[in-house]
Amino acid sequence: AQSVTQLGSHVSVSEGALVLLRCNYSSSVPPYLFWYVQYPNQGLQLLLKYTSAATLVKGINGFEAEFKKSETSFHLTKPSAHMSDAAEYFCAVSATGNQFYFGTGTSLTVIP
Amino acid sequence: NAGVTQTPKFQVLKTGQSMTLQCAQDMNHNSMYWYRQDPGMGLRLIYYSASEGTTDKGEVPNGYNVSRLNKREFSLRLESAAPSQTSVYFCASRAGQLAIETQYFGPGTRLLVL
Repeated sequence: AQSVTQLGSHVSVSEGALVLLRCNYSSSVPPYLFWYVQYPNQGLQLLLKYTSAATLVKGINGFEAEFKKSETSFHLTKPSAHMSDAAEYFCAVSATGNQFYFGTGTSLTVIP
Repeated sequence: NAGVTQTPKFQVLKTGQSMTLQCAQDMNHNSMYWYRQDPGMGLRLIYYSASEGTTDKGEVPNGYNVSRLNKREFSLRLESAAPSQTSVYFCASRAGQLAIETQYFGPGTRLLVL
């Protein structure tokens, strides 16, 4: 069975500050991990995904995430927050079968 | 290339009414999904279709039915709407059934049941 836990349903950062959104996963088999972003009143858009090719994954809009097997984590980071980063972020895991398992989401607020 | 499209964008129903949410994709994907999104609960899978002609229940199938009309289209039907079905509904598609494959999402249908 697979599951995802996102710590912190709301995160606020100042513009220009580091963004860190946390995701921990549980999987009985090697997982594939995804980060999606959802802007207000829109669908989910893929930010990046981990496919076991490299533990540090770079995505769109300057985001990156590092897969740490020992910590079962896949945290999302961005060195410098921009106002346009304000959105809801979802971590998801896919391992076996035909399903994705999503976390409950983290709402990011960027303070000017 | 429109990706995944959903209709309608917004709908208001009265308790007991029925409706069908439509979803279509033009990426020649085999797998399609219906999710509902509720505050604080993330996305929960209602039904999915691994290929044309097959459908399977997800985490929260009660009160819903689906039809995989053809490879492009996957509809979700509420036979007798209830206030608990007020939610945002997302359709998604994926090329196949491999765990590595990305899901692509439509813009969503916002449903209010009074």
